[in-house]
Amino acid sequence: GAVVSQHPSWVICKSGTSVKIECRSLDFQATTMFWYRQFPKQSLMLMATSNEGSKATYEQGVEKDKFLINHASLTLSTLTVTSAHPEDSSFYICSALVNRERDYGYTFGSGTRLTVV
Amino acid sequence: AQTVTQSQPEMSVQEAETVTLSCTYDTSESNYYLFWYKQPPSRQMILVIRQEAYKQQNATENRFSVNFQKAAKSFSLKISDSQLGDTAMYFCATLYNAGNMLTFGGGTRLMVKP
Repeated sequence: GAVVSQHPSWVICKSGTSVKIECRSLDFQATTMFWYRQFPKQSLMLMATSNEGSKATYEQGVEKDKFLINHASLTLSTLTVTSAHPEDSSFYICSALVNRERDYGYTFGSGTRLTVV
Repeated sequence: AQTVTQSQPEMSVQEAETVTLSCTYDTSESNYYLFWYKQPPSRQMILVIRQEAYKQQNATENRFSVNFQKAAKSFSLKISDSQLGDTAMYFCATLYNAGNMLTFGGGTRLMVKP
């Protein structure tokens, strides 16, 4: 099946610094990737949709200047949390749309646990 | 807006028994996909089963099967012969071709007891 590799799996950073999270599609081209945030014991909350070669579309309430998304190639999308604060601590998950008949749907990265201290 | 509702926040089942997780959704679309995802303690989202709305036959994957009632907009997941490794959060989700956006339910936490 289609695989998305997400790194790092966990990161601890100091307040005010920036953190970059990468998601790579390994065996397919991901023209569309989605970034989610998940709080403990809650569902996934869509933050933004990124399309290769164009600007990301952010959901209402998500600060685009804080959560920078770049989708420069068909296999790589990155989320940069800028000037991180403790309230940004969360679990971030990327997902890519697999547009193949045999396995149409979403595949997910393994997630990144961000802790801001 | 599309909505997906999972009315059971938590459920438990004895090992080897059968459990059914409920999911209802609201849509005006005629063509869409329905999914059940499993999120174990590792937090990796794992696809359990997929159903195309235009197919009347219920999808099955080994011990997992669905009861898809299109008119009622219901999509329940049945887990047979429950195993300890089935302990996880389960999310129902819908995907509409027009928007290509996945809409999740709130999740059901399933505990399989030995």
